[in-house]
This record gives sequence, C-alpha cells and structure tokens, in this order.
Amino acid sequence: GENVEQHPSTLSVQEGDSAVIKCTYSDSASNYFPWYKQELGKRPQLIIDIRSNVGEKKDQRIAVTLNKTAKHFSLHITETQPEDSAVYFCAASSGGSNYKLTFGKGTLLTVNP
Amino acid sequence: GAGVSQSPSNKVTEKGKDVELRCDPISGHTALYWYRQSLGQGLEFLIYFQGNSAPDKSGLPSDRFSAERTGGSVSTLTIQRTQQEDSAVYLCASSLAGGEGSPFFGPGTRLTVL
Repeated sequence: GENVEQHPSTLSVQEGDSAVIKCTYSDSASNYFPWYKQELGKRPQLIIDIRSNVGEKKDQRIAVTLNKTAKHFSLHITETQPEDSAVYFCAASSGGSNYKLTFGKGTLLTVNP
Repeated sequence: GAGVSQSPSNKVTEKGKDVELRCDPISGHTALYWYRQSLGQGLEFLIYFQGNSAPDKSGLPSDRFSAERTGGSVSTLTIQRTQQEDSAVYLCASSLAGGEGSPFFGPGTRLTVL
C-alpha cells in the first residue's frame, strides 16, 4: 500500500520568513495530493491540493509543487504570519478506483512574532 | 447540510462497553472516510465508502471495529468491547465521487475509554 513520509516533524520560523514542508510517496499510481492545516483542537482543514497533471499550484501565500518522477511534493508558505502556526499534513491518494488518502505524520509549524 | 457533522462530540465509556459514532456527510458527497487520530499523532485510515461499491476496510485495526453506511448517506462506526487503546478522536470526511473532489472533515468525536 501507499506510504507517505513527511519532513520535518517540527519547523520554527520567524514571522515574514518562508516555510517549506516536504513529502514523499511510494505508490506511483497516486494522482491526488492535498495538504491540510490543523489548529489545536480543531478539525483538519484543506488548504491546497494538486493533481498529477499539474506541476505547481499557487494560492496567495501558499504554493504546492509536485515532482512525479521523484515521487515527492512540497508545501511552500511565504511571508509567514503567527496565525500560520499549526500542524500541517500532506496526503496522497492510492489511485486507481480507490481514493483512500494516506497521510504523512504531520509537521508542527511555529511562526515566532 | 453546510458541512460534515459528527455525533456525539465527546464520548466517555467504560472498558468493555460498545460505542456507536455517527457521521452525516455533506449532501451529495458519495465518498465517505473514517480516520482515527490519537493525541499528538497523525491520521490513521480506518475505512472508506464509495457509492454502492464494497467498502475498503483495510484500515480497521481489529474485528471489534465495524462501519456501515445506510442509503449512501449517514455512516455509523461501531466499536465493540472497547479497550483503553481505542481512546482517540475519530474523524469522518466526505467528498464528491472518489477522485473528483477534496475530502472535507467533520469536527470529530473524542472517545475516552476508562
């Protein structure tokens, strides 16, 4: 089955700096890669996603890149703000007829004012 | 509805008791997922329903866990003879037909087994 590795497990940046979180996946058939943000005690919220026919996608300060050959994808947050502090999860779909998502173990991002 | 809803929000039970957790997906979403999140941990896949297809139960940790989805809408996750290690937040998510929409999560049910 699919295996998703996420790094780093914790990341601390200064307000205004950029943050990058990286994930690798094992199943070459995977074709859908969402990112979720989870604040303490809250549900995971989808922040951006990318499909395998696209190499990069941007939404204001957030961007995701995908390298299908290397089987890795990354989340980039620019001009970080304290409210970006949360746990971020990457995920990959298993592909085929089953779109079950396999999640990485999460990255705790802390943005220091 | 406006989003995925789950009930109860909190459940405290004694070891050995059975519990039922309910999920109401977003109207029109045919795909439904159950995940489990232990304190400070990631999201562990439990089961996935897609329309009338046979569910993917590959993530259920033991035969004490079962789930059903009636009428292609509401889903119930049942845990029999609960154990302390079952304590976690159980999250439900739904999406449009598999691969056509992004999964949205409900608020979760926090289960505590004493």
